[in-house]
Amino acid sequence: DGGITQSPKYLFRKEGQNVTLSCEQNLNHDAMYWYRQDPGQGLRLIYYSQIVNDFQKGDIAEGYSVSREKKESFPLTVTSAQKNPTAFYLCASNRQGGTNTEAFFGQGTRLTVV
Amino acid sequence: KNQVEQSPQSLIILEGKNCTLQCNYTVSPFSNLRWYKQDTGRGPVSLTIMTFSENTKSNGRYTATLDADTKQSSLHITASQLSDSASYICVVYLGSGGSNYKLTFGKGTLLTVNP
Repeated sequence: DGGITQSPKYLFRKEGQNVTLSCEQNLNHDAMYWYRQDPGQGLRLIYYSQIVNDFQKGDIAEGYSVSREKKESFPLTVTSAQKNPTAFYLCASNRQGGTNTEAFFGQGTRLTVV
Repeated sequence: KNQVEQSPQSLIILEGKNCTLQCNYTVSPFSNLRWYKQDTGRGPVSLTIMTFSENTKSNGRYTATLDADTKQSSLHITASQLSDSASYICVVYLGSGGSNYKLTFGKGTLLTVNP
């Protein structure tokens, strides 16, 4: 089945550690996105990539890093520089070049700092 | 500044009742607007898409409207069911030259359907 998969579903991190969240899609989509969702707030864009080996900062990129070495994969690293990393993280992808393309979302990763 | 505002912030209704959720946007250039349903702890799933030329569209018990002049959209849910309890998010796609390149999200309306 085609889709977008995030792993793990739950992740616990100690203070000062870097952690990497996985996002894989087999939809042949060019564009991929990482969002952060906090209670009572809308989704906020962390990073996005429209093509392999290229990515752009979103609205809240500080303390995060990404890579896009393959079309299918867009991992997000939460670094120790991110002061408040506890949140629900969503990855999305969509096809570029069309007016009605739909963004598909993964099931999310809930990150908790302990 | 591109913004999407949703109201109400939360809503509680009884099973079987109807409800309407609102979305106002100030996004340009507008490509299309989608309503997503997000169950707790899950990723959002698209319910319906509204393009510039469409003013109403139905998907089962969900009916979305769009007024491109006033930049308003609504999502009407009829005969609500307990499984409709979720957050409903309005998402506006920015477009340029016929391509989507950025999404702008509302904060969502949290709907609770009680028996």
